Amino acid sequence: DVKVTQSSRYLVKRTGEKVFLECVQDMDHENMFWYRQDPGLGLRLIYFSYDVKMKEKGDIPEGYSVSREKKERFSLILESASTNQTSMYLCASSPYTSDPNEQFFGPGTRLTVL
Amino acid sequence: GENVEQHPSTLSVQEGDSAVIKCTYSDSASNYFPWYKQELGKRPQLIIDIRSNVGEKKDQRIAVTLNKTAKHFSLHITETQPEDSAVYFCAATGGSYIPTFGRGTSLIVHP
Repeated sequence: DVKVTQSSRYLVKRTGEKVFLECVQDMDHENMFWYRQDPGLGLRLIYFSYDVKMKEKGDIPEGYSVSREKKERFSLILESASTNQTSMYLCASSPYTSDPNEQFFGPGTRLTVL
Repeated sequence: GENVEQHPSTLSVQEGDSAVIKCTYSDSASNYFPWYKQELGKRPQLIIDIRSNVGEKKDQRIAVTLNKTAKHFSLHITETQPEDSAVYFCAATGGSYIPTFGRGTSLIVHP
């Protein structure tokens, strides 16, 4: 059973703080993703990674960076948190296969920036 | 890039009725179309998917249809139950392996 875990379910930070959100998967998946989920806007891709030390920008990368030092771990970093980054953050992983495949999601981190 | 439109944004039905959610996509290269269900406070989970070489797929009370020519696909839920209440997301994925998601449909099933 694939397991994707995220470091916190709820997080409250202040404007200007540096914020780290961590995601770990235990199924040896090559692909990992960070999404932001806001009501009425669906899931928007922030960054993704196909392999260790590799990262690609998604649709809304501004204000975020990522780190993937180990295959199982993908971190999302908010260098200087702002109130408009208050949101639900979802991590996902998927295996590398010859065809596109299912994504497995973490439980989400609800971040509030005050 | 790919653009996915999902309708309706909210769907309210009585228990036992059918529910249909529709999505359209723009990139003819997209070849994998998953549907995810997200219950309140939980993570999205795949409920059914379809690939471009298939026109329809069924799994018990849920089915998905794909019309490649018109670039649209739909989720059909029959005999709805209160536990079907959730947000449903469609997605379209092409050669980049990056899915583009619709904005979601909130399905409410009234007992």
